[in-house]
Amino acid sequence: EVQLVESGGGLVQPGGSLRLSCAASGYTFSAYDMHWVRQVTGKGLEWVSSIGTADDTYYAGSVKGRFTISRDNAKMSLYLQMNSLRAGDTALYYCIRARDGFDFWGQGTMVTVSS
Amino acid sequence: QSVLTQPPSASGAPGQRVTISCSGSSPNIGGHSVHWYQHLPGTAPKLLIYSNDKRPSGVPDRFSGSKSGTSASLAISGLRSEDEAAYYCVVWDDSLRGHVFGGGTKLTVL
Repeated sequence: EVQLVESGGGLVQPGGSLRLSCAASGYTFSAYDMHWVRQVTGKGLEWVSSIGTADDTYYAGSVKGRFTISRDNAKMSLYLQMNSLRAGDTALYYCIRARDGFDFWGQGTMVTVSS
Repeated sequence: QSVLTQPPSASGAPGQRVTISCSGSSPNIGGHSVHWYQHLPGTAPKLLIYSNDKRPSGVPDRFSGSKSGTSASLAISGLRSEDEAAYYCVVWDDSLRGHVFGGGTKLTVL
């Protein structure tokens, strides 16, 4: 059974940092691209970042230069290092497996940026 | 404001057919496959349609997708109350060098 379990969310002050993790199981982690997508409460979905099987990385303009995506295939884990956090980054962050579309989503971890 | 335009809302009676549009441009829909997601409150989004018109296993054939030029559509036939959800299109954008979501369409089953 495929599972994606996010962790690392929480309350952080503006300007602070957080590192999100996503533990994958039930499939060959290294064979899939991985993504982070977020949703502000009451708003739509926003793509944040992705990392390919060759470690190629991409970022939304709103997070470029502040967020860093990485993966550890041996640990079957995906990460998102978030620095210089802003109130606008407050959202539920989903970890996603992708091949033909985003075919499996975790349940999300909540990040709140507030003083 | 998203580069992909979806109507904010749609509605239909049980049993009816509704269509949700997703309008883009050459760097995105014009050159890449569109995927569609269903998002029920309190749950993770679910892939409904991938590569414009393909259904993952387990998705009923009441759901169908199409693409023409720089626009795509999701059609839902035989509407059911459990179809009441938000629906999103998503596609890669060459100009932005990233994926973009449509703003989402809230479907109400009357």
